[in-house]
Amino acid sequence: DAKTTQPTSMDCAEGRAANLPCNHSTISGNEYVYWYRQIHSQGPQYIIHGLKNNETNEMASLIITEDRKSSTLILPHATLRDTAVYYCIVTNNNAGNMLTFGGGTRLMVKP
Amino acid sequence: GAVVSQHPSWVICKSGTSVKIECRSLDFQATTMFWYRQFPKQSLMLMATSNEGSKATYEQGVEKDKFLINHASLTLSTLTVTSAHPEDSSFYICSGEGRSGYGYTFGSGTRLTVV
Repeated sequence: DAKTTQPTSMDCAEGRAANLPCNHSTISGNEYVYWYRQIHSQGPQYIIHGLKNNETNEMASLIITEDRKSSTLILPHATLRDTAVYYCIVTNNNAGNMLTFGGGTRLMVKP
Repeated sequence: GAVVSQHPSWVICKSGTSVKIECRSLDFQATTMFWYRQFPKQSLMLMATSNEGSKATYEQGVEKDKFLINHASLTLSTLTVTSAHPEDSSFYICSGEGRSGYGYTFGSGTRLTVV
């Protein structure tokens, strides 16, 4: 799996958009960008993934640059319950391919 | 959606005893399941890949005789920590591929404390 670089921590005001960046400059053409988050003492939760087009679901939006070397996860209206560690992972979609977790970004949503 | 049930959620055991952790895929068949370990304030580290009906593949530095993995069916994988020691105290998490193309589904984790 390609490596990713994320800021160690970020703060966001409740109700505001949280924009979490991720650099993945060595991503391969067949690798997707996945985002997971881990709330304290729980297993990681899938958020969203994409290949090259921007994606949106009920949880978040994913913006991938045209050269695919970086992406941004957007939580449009952050709540206190969004406080978690957010992991950006690049991997292909082959069955049985493991996920390699980096350090992630610790997002603190403040009232 | 895909659900992985993991239990126990927490366990305290005495040094030298063994502990079994179970992961069940409730609404999908998991040919492959992954076992991770997470120490406080650290990221998840892959321990082993569990394949149904065959031997698990362990990551470098993980003792296969200490961390026994069994994946006897498409819905159940177990991790047994044998002869546990305090340094084995950690958060253990399993995951399986649920809905195809939508990443992996993770269990809720097991916090093991060895005293």
